[in-house]
Formats: sequence, structure tokens, C-alpha cells
Amino acid sequence: AAGVIQSPRHLIKEKRETATLKCYPIPRHDTVYWYQQGPGQDPQFLISFYEKMQSDKGSIPDRFSAQQFSDYHSELNMSSLELGDSALYFCASSFRTSGRYEQYFGPGTRLTVT
Amino acid sequence: DQQVKQNSPSLSVQEGRISILNCDYTNSMFDYFLWYKKYPAEGPTFLISISSIKDKNEDGRFTVFLNKSAKHLSLHIVPSQPGDSAVYFCAASPETSGSRLTFGEGTQLTVNP
Repeated sequence: AAGVIQSPRHLIKEKRETATLKCYPIPRHDTVYWYQQGPGQDPQFLISFYEKMQSDKGSIPDRFSAQQFSDYHSELNMSSLELGDSALYFCASSFRTSGRYEQYFGPGTRLTVT
Repeated sequence: DQQVKQNSPSLSVQEGRISILNCDYTNSMFDYFLWYKKYPAEGPTFLISISSIKDKNEDGRFTVFLNKSAKHLSLHIVPSQPGDSAVYFCAASPETSGSRLTFGEGTQLTVNP
């Protein structure tokens, strides 16, 4: 079965640079979520989109922005990167319209800021 | 403020025995709960979920129990297999309509052959 695809899998950036993370949800899934997992921590919710509209917003820095496109893929844009942004970034998707609410996660993008 | 807590950072069991992973929550608005398994360098894998209208949900070797009055849930794995060795996360959501998940800290399960 198709899973959530994230690219790139690994990304190394320097401080103050920008990064763009991409997420391709499971086909027919209508909701995309972004989570950040720091070293030794649990995943923390950043932002979500339902049918291409922002549906919820968590502890996402103002330096970060995200959107969901007409083909349902989503991009997380991160600017003015800081050392503390080094983390695993997970995208998840769900098929909210179906009434099933479990979220399926991608393999993650490991961002390292030097 | 950790709204979902997994107080055991690690658990070790013998193959074939039962594994019981516990999770407590503090937010009364949570009414949908999920368990995920995570291997290193991979994303969390959905295992099983339960809504607050139930107290038990079973799927193969995995059973989740929910005690709403105690704000406690547990995941039972019977029989445990070495391939079950992974980090298990408990997660909760305030509604079933696709809201954000709040995760616990995770429990490292090791199943010894």
C-alpha cells in the first residue's frame, strides 16, 4: 500500500539559511499534519491542513510557513534557520472525510543546522 | 506541561509473554487515543486506536484498554515477539475529527528471545 512520502530524507543547512521540506500524503487522504521531534523528545505538532486550508496551528515559529497544494502535497518552509531547528520533521496524513481519524506518518526528514 | 505521560521509559519482557505499556493523560478534552510503534530512522507506525465511547479495542495480538475515570490507557501485546522491540508512543486527540495528536514520551520495549 502507498505510504506518506517525504523529501528530502536528510538535509544539512547552515544557520540563517532556508529549507523546504515536502510531503506527499497517501492517495485520497485529505488532511496533512506536520510534527517536529527533537532529540530524545516526543513529536510536537506544528500545523495541519484540511482540503488545502489551514485547519490547526501549534507551536510553529513565525519563521516557518506551510501550505497544501491543489494535488494535496504539502511543503514546510523554514527561514532564518537556527541551531535549535535541528530535528526530525514528520509529515502525517489522514482521510478525515471517511470518518477514520488515525494519522499515518512518513519516514521523516532529518534536518541538521550547522 | 506534559498532557500525555508514559512513566516507564523502558520495558523488557520475554518472548511469548505479555507486554503491558501504560499511558496517563490529564486533559479531559481528549477522547480519541492511539498507539504508535517507532523504529529508529523511521516514522511512527499506527498500531491501534480507541475512542472514549469504548473501554476496549482488540486487533490481533494488540489490545488497548481505556479507563476514562482514571484517565489511563494501556496497550497489551500477547504474545510478545522479538520483532515487537521498538519505541511505543501513546497519543491523544481532543476530538475524533482529525485534530492534532499529543504524544507521550515513549516507552522502549525490548522482547528477549
